[in-house]
Amino acid sequence: EAGVAQSPRYKIIEKRQSVAFWCNPISGHATLYWYQQILGQGPKLLIQFQNNGVVDDSQLPKDRFSAERLKGVDSTLKIQPAKLEDSAVYLCASSFRLRDYGYTFGSGTRLTVV
Amino acid sequence: TQLLEQSPQFLSIQEGENLTVYCNSSSVFSSLQWYRQEPGEGPVLLVTVVTGGEVKKLKRLTFQFGDARKDSSLHITAAQPGDTGLYLCAGAPGGTSYGKLTFGQGTILTVHP
Repeated sequence: EAGVAQSPRYKIIEKRQSVAFWCNPISGHATLYWYQQILGQGPKLLIQFQNNGVVDDSQLPKDRFSAERLKGVDSTLKIQPAKLEDSAVYLCASSFRLRDYGYTFGSGTRLTVV
Repeated sequence: TQLLEQSPQFLSIQEGENLTVYCNSSSVFSSLQWYRQEPGEGPVLLVTVVTGGEVKKLKRLTFQFGDARKDSSLHITAAQPGDTGLYLCAGAPGGTSYGKLTFGQGTILTVHP
């Protein structure tokens, strides 16, 4: 089966600019996650979707971050405006159902804010 | 907030040596996972342990879940250069927090030929 697809792989932007990341999960996976991984740290959950509904976005900085999963398949994560501290790898993961912990991660998008 | 502390943060060893990575918390987890991440890639699931005291073996890797389900260890026997990478433990809180994982900060392993 195809894995979790993410694009772009790399992005460099100036602070205060906006950026969007795209994720296509494994076909049939109902649960989708966005994680932020800062260099030297483990991934931190930003938002969790079940189909097209948000299950948990308690750690999403909603003043600048937004995410959607229209039609319960693809998802986009947006940052507007970006700050220097947003430099990180943004990982998308999916699982078949909400109670599954066997995530499949995408390769991530490395964002550098200068 | 549940935290997972991994130790050591860095490990540099020679091929053929054995090593153990530890993952500790003051919180109880319903299950614990270990992932391996290579540069430029996402984490890849190695194993999930669910029962307190559980031991799982995956070739040269042995994973153990503590009896109280608060800690775990990963032991690698006769390490090879191909084992080089970032090892992450991740805990599932259970209850109504379905699906969410709390990750440790990771252990960077380098195995020199």
